[in-house]
Amino acid sequence: EIVLTQSPGTLSLSPGERATLSCRASQSVDSSNLAWYQQKPGQAPRLLIYGASSRATGFPDRFSGSGSGTDFTLTISRLEPEDFAVYYCQQSGRAFFGVTFGQGTRLEIK
Amino acid sequence: QVTLRESGPALVKPTQTLTLTCTFSGFALNTKGMCVSWIRQPPGKALEWLALIDWGDDKYYNTSLKTRLSISKDTSKNQVVLTMTNLDPVDTATYFCARLIRGNYYVYLDQWGQGTLVTVSS
Repeated sequence: EIVLTQSPGTLSLSPGERATLSCRASQSVDSSNLAWYQQKPGQAPRLLIYGASSRATGFPDRFSGSGSGTDFTLTISRLEPEDFAVYYCQQSGRAFFGVTFGQGTRLEIK
Repeated sequence: QVTLRESGPALVKPTQTLTLTCTFSGFALNTKGMCVSWIRQPPGKALEWLALIDWGDDKYYNTSLKTRLSISKDTSKNQVVLTMTNLDPVDTATYFCARLIRGNYYVYLDQWGQGTLVTVSS
């Protein structure tokens, strides 16, 4: 079973700063199966990035995803107040078995 | 427009069986690449994937919960049903259903229901 480990658990930054969130897999995963989600309090998660680097509809280009193998990164170039949320990575494995999520990174206002 | 909506009991007693229904619209579950998945989230905790059913009626389960879960679909009603047996207070969570796209290249959950809170308590 592939385990996703996200770091840091909590990231405290100010609007305008750059955010870098990490997602590390316990073994190599296919980047086409790596996605990121944004979740705000009281809301369902929302697809943010799929295929490790493709941005979903509705998200501005300050959001970007990168990585391959076991290390993936979500970057928010200049934080806006609405970006403070919890972010989850997700993968489904080279041989499809369902999905797993990381434990999440909480991005909070400093 | 794709929508999904979860329904089911808000309160369940320990040892009972939970049945949740996901009613969806805007897509056909018998179309190749379409899947519906269940995910839960205990209060203040992370997302946990539970189960998935695909267009060909293949089913996938979280290995840790597999013995307690069953997923099925009624394509004519546009519904997916999840049952979970032997509920425990640790199963208290918001339960989401979501559409999963399993394309030729990508796999992702692109549309989510609003979630339904299930509390397990006597």
